Amino acid sequence: EAGVTQFPSHSVIEKGQTVTLRCDPISGHDNLYWYRRVMGKEIKFLLHFVKESKQDESGMPNNRFLAERTGGTYSTLKVQPAELEDSGVYFCASSQGGQANEKLFFGSGTQLSVL
Amino acid sequence: GQNIDQPTEMTATEGAIVQINCTYQTSGFNGLFWYQQHAGEAPTFLSYNVLDGLEEKGRFSSFLSRSKGYSYLLLKELQMKDSASYLCARLTDSWGKLQFGAGTQVVVTP
Repeated sequence: EAGVTQFPSHSVIEKGQTVTLRCDPISGHDNLYWYRRVMGKEIKFLLHFVKESKQDESGMPNNRFLAERTGGTYSTLKVQPAELEDSGVYFCASSQGGQANEKLFFGSGTQLSVL
Repeated sequence: GQNIDQPTEMTATEGAIVQINCTYQTSGFNGLFWYQQHAGEAPTFLSYNVLDGLEEKGRFSSFLSRSKGYSYLLLKELQMKDSASYLCARLTDSWGKLQFGAGTQVVVTP
């Protein structure tokens, strides 16, 4: 069974540019989460999809961040325009759904560097 | 406060035992997870506790005291491959949303 895959693994962009991160969850997983780890800090929640609907986007930093999950399969997270403080590792995770205590399956993350 | 607190780093010798403590805010508690993360890799699930007591799973065990807002992860018979970051995470809602601690870097030496 393929795990959660994220693309790209690394991205280096200049301030003001746009970057789109992609996450492919495990097939059949209804829940998809985005998390972010900024250097030296803890992993923080960004948002949660149930199928194609946004269940919780309380962790999104501001309106420069846009997440989509059209069709309820893969998801994209776009940052436009990117700022220096957006640098960090962006993790995607998925779970099958149905119970809150299900373990999450994480991807290896996208290391985003904004220069 | 709102933080989840765990030590930054711990060092232990191969074959030894290490206990990683985690304290968290008790209000709104729905369960506690431990994840392992090797450098540059995905966090992977280790354990889940929602009731008080010890859950044993091979060389790894996890303990929870809900009234104290306290958990620990016990790693026995340490192996070099156990060198990793260990993340304590509190389940904050009924939808699977996690609040993480900053992680404890465990270094296993020969």
